[in-house]
Amino acid sequence: QVQLVESGGGVVQPGGSLRLSCAASGFTFSSYGMNWVRQAPGKGLEWVAVILYDGSNKWYADSVKGRFTISRDNSKNTLYLQMNGLRAEDTAVYYCAKDFTRFGLVYALDYWGQGTLLTVSS
Amino acid sequence: QSALTQPASVSGSPGQSITISCTGSSSDVGSFNLVSWYQQYPGRAPKLIIYEVTKRPAGISNRFSGSKSGNTASLTISGLQPEDETDYYCCSYVGNSIVVFGGGTKLTVL
Repeated sequence: QVQLVESGGGVVQPGGSLRLSCAASGFTFSSYGMNWVRQAPGKGLEWVAVILYDGSNKWYADSVKGRFTISRDNSKNTLYLQMNGLRAEDTAVYYCAKDFTRFGLVYALDYWGQGTLLTVSS
Repeated sequence: QSALTQPASVSGSPGQSITISCTGSSSDVGSFNLVSWYQQYPGRAPKLIIYEVTKRPAGISNRFSGSKSGNTASLTISGLQPEDETDYYCCSYVGNSIVVFGGGTKLTVL
C-alpha cells in the first residue's frame, strides 16, 4: 500500500532554515510528480510546490518562491523541501502528496502523508 | 495566485443533497478541466474525492459528484450521511504548473 511519511518538522527561529523529508513506499516513486501542501493551524490548505517525476522541473507558490526548494532523490524514494528565510507565516503542518498520474501532472493529489508540523517562532 | 471562493459553511439533513460551490475566474476554473475536491477530517490528511472536475477515484462513493459551469465548479453530495460532516476543499490548476485551493467549506449534517 502507498505510504508517505514526512519528517523534519520542529521549532525554528525567524530567518532560520529547515529541511523536510518525505519517505515514499508502496508505489514506483520515480514515476510520479510530488507536491508539498501546507496548512496553518486552524486554516485552509495552501499548495506550496510540485516537482516532476524525474526532478527536471519544479514550480512554487509565490509565497515561497526564492525561499523554498523542492527536490527528490529517486534512488532513495524520498522527497525534500528545503526551507530558508523562514517567517512566522510559514508555521503550518506540511504534507507531501502524490500526483494521480504517471509521468505527468493532473494536479490531483491521491495520496497524502500525515504531515509534519513546522513552527516558526522566537 | 488568489484562492478560489467557497462558502464557509453549508448544511443539510440526512438523506438530502447539498452542493458546495467553488468560484474562480476565466483564467483558472474556467480555462481548465483540472478541478479536484478533497475531504478532510480534523487532524487528518485530506482525501481526494473528485478529480478532473467529474471523475471519482476508486473506492469513492457515487454519492459524491462534481461538475463545472463557466468559472464555477461544484461538488454535490447526495443522500447525506452523518459521516459526511467535515471540511471540503476545491483545488484548481491556474496555469504555469501552479494550483490553488479554495478556502474550504464546513459541511454540517443537521
